[in-house]
Amino acid sequence: RKEVEQDPGPFNVPEGATVAFNCTYSNSASQSFFWYRQDCRKEPKLLMSVYSSGNEDGRFTAQLNRASQYISLLIRDSKLSDSATYLCVVNSGTSYDKVIFGPGTSLSVIP
Amino acid sequence: EAGVAQSPRYKIIEKRQSVAFWCNPISGHATLYWYQQILGQGPKLLIQFQNNGVVDDSQLPKDRFSAERLKGVDSTLKIQPAKLEDSAVYLCASSWSYGANVLTFGAGSRLTVL
Repeated sequence: RKEVEQDPGPFNVPEGATVAFNCTYSNSASQSFFWYRQDCRKEPKLLMSVYSSGNEDGRFTAQLNRASQYISLLIRDSKLSDSATYLCVVNSGTSYDKVIFGPGTSLSVIP
Repeated sequence: EAGVAQSPRYKIIEKRQSVAFWCNPISGHATLYWYQQILGQGPKLLIQFQNNGVVDDSQLPKDRFSAERLKGVDSTLKIQPAKLEDSAVYLCASSWSYGANVLTFGAGSRLTVL
């Protein structure tokens, strides 16, 4: 089993739609969770951290379910500018916190 | 705050040649990472430094790849000899330390091996 798995995508949604991405991780010792965004031919950039109680940043909501080892990202009212690849990121839970990226889920928002 | 600097941005070489990539992290960042990202995949960690010590190189193909971080600041990643499957973007990232810290990435070095 891979350490971090994500919906394979791609997701093609119309503007204004709500879309949800799922991510699972294999190491129950993992403590830190993030979503990164990567635009085409650019470097990954932090979108948001994921907290145990769930957190929201504008149109973006992240949820963590430790029991199921599952993370989600919800995007409401999708904009054309949301088109990108969304990377689920988990730390390894080791003493030096290896940072592991999922394969990414591609989103295209269509006018 | 200056970002993570990487060079060169693009490199094209023939198989069996060698190549080196350079990274200068954000000032004060103790942890430096090299990731390999093949087209259509997520970044794969090659090596992680804490200051000038290696804390993880479990996925570094040590028969051909090497990396160093002299004086705990900038870092060099070398490939010798290169194979076709090494064609990828090599991303350098840094963070204050390990733990729940955000990684800041450089723009990457795109390698094409012919």
